[in-house]
Formats: sequence, C-alpha cells, structure tokens
Amino acid sequence: DQQVKQNSPSLSVQEGRISILNCDYTNSMFDYFLWYKKYPAEGPTFLISISSIKDKNEDGRFTVFLNKSAKHLSLHIVPSQPGDSAVYFCAASPRPDSNYQLIWGAGTKLIIKP
Amino acid sequence: ETGVTQTPRHLVMGMTNKKSLKCEQHLGHNAMYWYKQSAKKPLELMFVYSLEERVENNSVPSRFSPECPNSSHLFLHLHTLQPEDSALYLCASSQPGQYNEQFFGPGTRLTVL
Repeated sequence: DQQVKQNSPSLSVQEGRISILNCDYTNSMFDYFLWYKKYPAEGPTFLISISSIKDKNEDGRFTVFLNKSAKHLSLHIVPSQPGDSAVYFCAASPRPDSNYQLIWGAGTKLIIKP
Repeated sequence: ETGVTQTPRHLVMGMTNKKSLKCEQHLGHNAMYWYKQSAKKPLELMFVYSLEERVENNSVPSRFSPECPNSSHLFLHLHTLQPEDSALYLCASSQPGQYNEQFFGPGTRLTVL
C-alpha cells in the first residue's frame, strides 16, 4: 500500500508553459515534504521542500503547494524549460526529527516540448 | 571527488557470482543509505547506517549484505542474486537534523542473468 502516490507516470508540457506535478499522501503524520529531480544515469537531486506548517514555498521558477486537508501537494514549474525534462519524485518525512525515513512516490516523467 | 560517488556504474553478474557495490561520500555526513529503484516503482529503502551503525533494515533478503567501515564508505555485498534483483542501486547520505535532505550518488545499474 503506497503512502505517497504520484498518479501521473508522465506529463508533456510545451516550453514556456506551466508544468504542474501532483502528489497525494495518505498518512496525516507526515510532517515534511520534498521534491527531487532525476536525470537519466544520475541520482536524484533535491529540488524544493515544504513543512506542514506552510502551504506554499517558492524558489525561483519552482513553487510547491501543500493542501493538508486534501493530503495533496503539487509542484509548479513556470516557465518550463527544456532542461526541466526529468523524472520528479515526491517524498514525505514521517516526523520532524526523523533522520532516516523518507517515503517515496513512484515518480512522474516530465517532458518539455520545444 | 565531491558529493557521493558509486562504483561500478554498471554491473552484470550471474546468479552464482559474488560482487560488491561501493559508495563514498565526501560531504561529511553521518548517515548513509542504500536504495533499490526498479522501473516505475518508488525508491525502496534497503539499509540505513548512522555513525557506522545499522539503524534500519527494511526486511531485505540476506543475499544483500551491507558494510559500513566508516562514516564515509558504504558497501553492498551481493551473492546468489536472482534476476528480479536487477535494478538501479542508489547510495545516499545525509546530515541528521537537515530534514532528511538526502544526497544521492549516480547509482549502479545491476543486471542479474
């Protein structure tokens, strides 16, 4: 039973438009959420995170929104660029002092069309 | 070298072979992880070490044997693997208290024949 779900295996977006990647979770004890980006033949790299005390966190072209009542978060990329083509993983941390456990989604492959 | 490195990057082995994967982190972190990534599935946490002591073992088969000789190095010893063990094996490290921001190596693509 997956606690973190990314229901879209892939997403195709025109360059310059907004990309929206979605993530749902089932465990209300999750306290911290992270997005990672992965290129082929490389390991995932940290992109942006959000604490459960916030509903939005912005970093340049990347914004993450958290809707705790719906147990849903989304990553917005605007404007989308060809270099954003990658697999994006959503991950959740069960408690604030957890040093080890991250629960991962299966990833969404984002394709930016020129 | 910077960040997290893994060797080899690719490995093909038979079911009767014994091989080892190596991970090294140059970030001064105290925790190191082994993950398995199969196609279109979430990353599966296999082992966690903190200060060279294993703190988590997510019911991984005994044909996978980790070793952490110091806080910078992590090994995954493989023996009598099965074809379904073919996957990308990722190593990561983190600094406790940093909200689990984990830094990953490039992975080892393992194929078991």
